[in-house]
Amino acid sequence: GEDVEQSLFLSVREGDSSVINCTYTDSSSTYLYWYKQEPGAGLQLLTYIFSNMDMKQDQRLTVLLNKKDKHLSLRIADTQTGDSAIYFCAEWGDNTDKLIFGTGTRLQVFP
Amino acid sequence: NAGVTQTPKFRVLKTGQSMTLLCAQDMNHEYMYWYRQDPGMGLRLIHYSVGEGTTAKGEVPDGYNVSRLKKQNFLLGLESAAPSQTSVYFCASNSLAGVSYNEQFFGPGTRLTVL
Repeated sequence: GEDVEQSLFLSVREGDSSVINCTYTDSSSTYLYWYKQEPGAGLQLLTYIFSNMDMKQDQRLTVLLNKKDKHLSLRIADTQTGDSAIYFCAEWGDNTDKLIFGTGTRLQVFP
Repeated sequence: NAGVTQTPKFRVLKTGQSMTLLCAQDMNHEYMYWYRQDPGMGLRLIHYSVGEGTTAKGEVPDGYNVSRLKKQNFLLGLESAAPSQTSVYFCASNSLAGVSYNEQFFGPGTRLTVL
């Protein structure tokens, strides 16, 4: 079946790196995504990775994809208080009509 | 472009009342979705639509109905609200004809409380 799993909470000190992990089940996904939800707002696409890639870097963000283990991670370097949010990983379901979201990881950054 | 908009932003209902949530998008997207978000449960898909005049059930469709009479609008109806439907509701849209990575765009949410 389609299932995407994440840990629920992560707490880091400002300036440290954050690593948010995700496991997914559909090995046929062409793209995998990270969405960010700030307090009181809808989700916004943060970054994505093509399934043929192992790594993608975008400024402070690094996405790692391990297709063998169906594991996706998001690393945020030099984490700031503005990074406090809920982060969702996602993949398209089998029939490509629906995005399957993980449960979301709440990142709390403390000074 | 306004993107995806939702009305209302907040609503309080009594058990048994009905209401309709409106979602509108101005990006000419074919696909539209209604999700609900509850603490610790992530986003759960209620209903979705792959085009004008079509709708399909998602993961948690019971107690909800939808209509897509116009391409730009997707309505979510609660015929007889129950306290279990207290949640934050998000609408989203995307187009498979656009950029290859298929970004899904979200509205700001509607916070519904059923007493």
